[in-house]
Amino acid sequence: GAVVSQHPSWVICKSGTSVKIECRSLDFQATTMFWYRQFPKQSLMLMATSNEGSKATYEQGVEKDKFLINHASLTLSTLTVTSAHPEDSSFYICSARSPQVSRGTEAFFGQGTRLTVV
Amino acid sequence: DAKTTQPPSMDCAEGRAANLPCNHSTISGNEYVYWYRQIHSQGPQYIIHGLKNNETNEMASLIITEDRKSSTLILPHATLRDTAVYYCIVSTGNQFYFGTGTSLTVIP
Repeated sequence: GAVVSQHPSWVICKSGTSVKIECRSLDFQATTMFWYRQFPKQSLMLMATSNEGSKATYEQGVEKDKFLINHASLTLSTLTVTSAHPEDSSFYICSARSPQVSRGTEAFFGQGTRLTVV
Repeated sequence: DAKTTQPPSMDCAEGRAANLPCNHSTISGNEYVYWYRQIHSQGPQYIIHGLKNNETNEMASLIITEDRKSSTLILPHATLRDTAVYYCIVSTGNQFYFGTGTSLTVIP
């Protein structure tokens, strides 16, 4: 399957600082990428849909000013957690749709980024 | 929001077939059934998807009922590495909303 890579795999930051997470589609161009958050022992929660060259669409309850998403190219989307607080500590996962499937559309996921805010 | 219902957990003996059920009674005509799995602290891995017909690939088989209100993922010969949380998702292929999934434990 297609490859989606996230960087970094884990990050520790101080409360009040901002953290940027990168999501890259390595072998295909992704017009749409998705960002998820997952707390321990819970399922993935969709945060936002990121479309190349336009503003992201956020799910209800997700603060757009806190979670800044940029999708400037067909292979890169970034999520910036601004003014991070301990409650933002979570596992953040991105996914990208592969345009290569003719029946339906598969989404491929990155390996995730473990954010710990201290 | 997730439109699927799955049992929270299942066990399967190593080497036997694992049959994971999923109910999606409100599925729309243009929605596919997707299956992903997540091994601890990793991103979800695509397994298989289908619309109406049964599907098979190198990882698994997907059986969709004729009314499309339920489906079953079959891992034909489960191994210890198949221990994971399995998610059944219905989607047109745009947003994917995850439910609670089934935690499958393969027992030696």
